Amino acid sequence: DGGITQSPKYLFRKEGQNVTLSCEQNLNHDAMYWYRQDPGQGLRLIYYSQIVNDFQKGDIAEGYSVSREKKESFPLTVTSAQKNPTAFYLCASSTPLAGGSPHEQFFGPGTRLTVL
Amino acid sequence: EDKVVQSPLSLVVHEGDTVTLNCSYEVTNFRSLLWYKQEKKAPTFLFMLTSSGIEKKSGRLSSILDKKELFSILNITATQTGDSAVYLCAGLPYAGNNRKLIWGLGTSLAVNP
Repeated sequence: DGGITQSPKYLFRKEGQNVTLSCEQNLNHDAMYWYRQDPGQGLRLIYYSQIVNDFQKGDIAEGYSVSREKKESFPLTVTSAQKNPTAFYLCASSTPLAGGSPHEQFFGPGTRLTVL
Repeated sequence: EDKVVQSPLSLVVHEGDTVTLNCSYEVTNFRSLLWYKQEKKAPTFLFMLTSSGIEKKSGRLSSILDKKELFSILNITATQTGDSAVYLCAGLPYAGNNRKLIWGLGTSLAVNP
C-alpha cells in the first residue's frame, strides 16, 4: 500500500541529546515536509524539500536539521540546540506544484517526542 | 503577513445537528484553500477549493470558497460522534515551486451522543 511512515511513534530523550525522526514515503512524491504541532499553535513548518539533495528552512528551523539523499526519505534531526523539543512531529509529502494542478499534502502518522 | 483564521476555535454539538466551520484567509497570490480532518494523529485531506462559488461535497460534508470575501466554510450535516475531530484549513499560495501552506489553528468539534 502507498503511504507515509514515520518512526518511532513515541520517542523519549534526555536533554542535551540529538535525536533523529524517520519519514519514508512510497508515493513517488517529490516534495516532503516536516511540521511541528503544539497544543493551540496549529501546524508550523520546520523544513521542506522540493527535490532530492535540496531543502529549505521553514518558519521554525532553528535547532533542527534535515537531509534528502533519497526521494523516499526525509529524516529530521532534533538537536540539543532546540530549546523546547517536546512536541508532535508530522511529516508530509506532495506532488510538485510546477506545471500542474495543485495537489494536497499527505501526512504520516506522526512521532510524539518527549524530552525528559 | 499571510494568515488563516478559523472560527470558532471549539464547538460542542449533539448528534444530528448541522455545523458550519469558518475559515478566513489573507494569503498573498492565493491559489487554493484546503480542509483537513485531524482525529488523533495525522490530518486527512477533505477538500481542495480553487474556484469561487463551486461547492465540493463528500457525503455529509460540503465546502465552498468565496474569493471575493476571502473565506471558506465547511458544513457537516447530521453530525455523528465519528465527526469529532479538529478541522484544519490551510491556504496555498502561488509561489513558483514553493508549496508552503498557511495553516489555521483549527476548530475542535465535539459531537455528543
